[in-house]
Amino acid sequence: KQEVTQIPAALSVPEGENLVLNCSFTDSAIYNLQWFRQDPGKGLTSLLLIQSSQREQTSGRLNASLDKSSGRSTLYIAASQPGDSATYLCAVRSGGSYIPTFGRGTSLIVHP
Amino acid sequence: GAGVSQSPSNKVTEKGKDVELRCDPISGHTALYWYRQSLGQGLEFLIYFQGNSAPDKSGLPSDRFSAERTGGSVSTLTIQRTQQEDSAVYLCASSLVGDSEQYFGPGTRLTVT
Repeated sequence: KQEVTQIPAALSVPEGENLVLNCSFTDSAIYNLQWFRQDPGKGLTSLLLIQSSQREQTSGRLNASLDKSSGRSTLYIAASQPGDSATYLCAVRSGGSYIPTFGRGTSLIVHP
Repeated sequence: GAGVSQSPSNKVTEKGKDVELRCDPISGHTALYWYRQSLGQGLEFLIYFQGNSAPDKSGLPSDRFSAERTGGSVSTLTIQRTQQEDSAVYLCASSLVGDSEQYFGPGTRLTVT
């Protein structure tokens, strides 16, 4: 059974810092991995989807990498802004199922 | 284009009543998922529909929960005889096919009093 862990659970940083959020998974036979953000009281917004054959994906100030052999993905946020404050979740599809397994998320606060 | 929509956005009901929650996926998306998110908890998978295949109901917590998807589009999640522990945000997501990018709706906040 796939298990997904996100570290740290919470993070508070000053504006302008470059950040790395981590997502670890136990079963390396994955189809893909997706990063989301969730604002308080809202649904999830898709950020990036990395297929198992890819090493990284980029969107604006966001860069997500994937290392299947070590069971890790990182989400890099460059030059953080207060608007980046949200909970970031990763979701992994694997094991013959298209039902993703979600991590518990990293709660990020970027203060001015 | 239009995203995933859910209705109602909020629902308050008395213990023991039945409720229906609705999800309209993105047009053309064949896969549809229901999740539950309780306060301070992670996302809990409930049910997965893919095209005309039989749904994967492995996440439904009890037989009080059921869901259907009519015409491969709109889905309804029904909770019978609601209990206080059913209080949560119910989220719906869709994807073009089973392994493609998931898009979530805004959720329905259910409160059972």
